[in-house]
Amino acid sequence: AQTVTQSQPEMSVQEAETVTLSCTYDTSENNYYLFWYKQPPSRQMILVIRQEAYKQQNATENRFSVNFQKAAKSFSLKISDSQLGDTAMYFCAFKSNFGNEKLTFGTGTRLTIIP
Amino acid sequence: EPEVTQTPSHQVTQMGQEVILRCVPISNHLYFYWYRQILGQKVEFLVSFYNNEISEKSEIFDDQFSVERPDGSNFTLKIRSTKLEDSAMYFCASSGGQGGQPQHFGDGTRLSIL
Repeated sequence: AQTVTQSQPEMSVQEAETVTLSCTYDTSENNYYLFWYKQPPSRQMILVIRQEAYKQQNATENRFSVNFQKAAKSFSLKISDSQLGDTAMYFCAFKSNFGNEKLTFGTGTRLTIIP
Repeated sequence: EPEVTQTPSHQVTQMGQEVILRCVPISNHLYFYWYRQILGQKVEFLVSFYNNEISEKSEIFDDQFSVERPDGSNFTLKIRSTKLEDSAMYFCASSGGQGGQPQHFGDGTRLSIL
């Protein structure tokens, strides 16, 4: 079974700074998908970014980018020029490519952006 | 942008009562999911649904739980006899396909069992 580990329960950073959230996972599969979801205080789950394991290029979405290290099974999220609206819980999630459609989530990192 | 909508936003129910949580997935999506999040904990998979049947379920999804797509738009989660430990946020999600297609989540229903 796959597991996802987020080792930073909480982080805080000054507005406009860059912050990196870490995520590691364990799988025996070669093809899979990784996601970062954001959960602000309003509690909705918002997709931030996704990465296909067969792509070497790191995914980027505006201020959000990932550092995907397949051999190390690491999938960190970098937020550049952080904004107050980035304050949220961030969840890393794994999805298999073989019929199994469920997302397996990590325990989350609570990120606070300090004005 | 199309959204997944869930109703109600908050449901308070007496222990032992039946509860139905409702979801309207994105209209052209084919894969539907329920997840739950107990307060302060991670999001956990409950069940996936495709082609009018359950495609996968977790060990949490026992005989007290059922899902249904009663018409072309709604997707429901029923808990037959609620327990205190069923108190959680329940998220519905939908996806347009398998593989890397992202799952889009609703805003959740907060279920409180008294």
